[in-house]
Amino acid sequence: QQQVKQSPQSLIVQKGGISIINCAYENTAFDYFPWYQQFPGKGPALLIAIRPDVSEKKEGRFTISFNKSAKQFSLHIMDSQPGDSATYFCAASSMIYNQGGKLIFGQGTELSVKP
Amino acid sequence: ETGVTQSPTHLIKTRGQQVTLRCSSQSGHNTVSWYQQALGQGPQFIFQYYREEENGRGNFPPRFSGLQFPNYSSELNVNALELDDSALYLCASSSNRGGEAFFGQGTRLTVV
Repeated sequence: QQQVKQSPQSLIVQKGGISIINCAYENTAFDYFPWYQQFPGKGPALLIAIRPDVSEKKEGRFTISFNKSAKQFSLHIMDSQPGDSATYFCAASSMIYNQGGKLIFGQGTELSVKP
Repeated sequence: ETGVTQSPTHLIKTRGQQVTLRCSSQSGHNTVSWYQQALGQGPQFIFQYYREEENGRGNFPPRFSGLQFPNYSSELNVNALELDDSALYLCASSSNRGGEAFFGQGTRLTVV
């Protein structure tokens, strides 16, 4: 019940295209859903996050869509660029019980944007 | 405002040895969490410290232990190292008011 399942495992997109990564969770106590971007040899960097009281959040080219009833959320990267090539992780936590620090991560999606 | 810093960046240890990894939290953050990231995997939660007390633990054996100091910096100690402990160890700091967790660059531990 603590798992977060992420798909696809890898994704190849042409420059200018849309990259879509999906995640699903089971634990209804989760109430904070961040996405992280990680480059090789670096720590994960917080990209964008959403709470379940909204269905969508947009920051620049990055959008999170959230479906509370289906317990699913997704990251959309519009106008994908070669510099977006990285591994993306979704995560979930319960802000009420652990102040947002105990993150349960998905397995990761390796995104490659071809020029 | 300084970010999360970890030391050392790389470390090679022999099986059976002990290791201490260090983390300085971001300014204004009082919560530190440690994660283990094996190659090709997502980070796995080890434990969290809030105001110098352990505030939850993941599925890791007792030979993984930690400390948080009054300035909110933290240490991760691993005793009796095993080959499977080879991984990237990540520290993340957060504020009990904000919630977002910010990661350091990690310490790459290799056990031989």
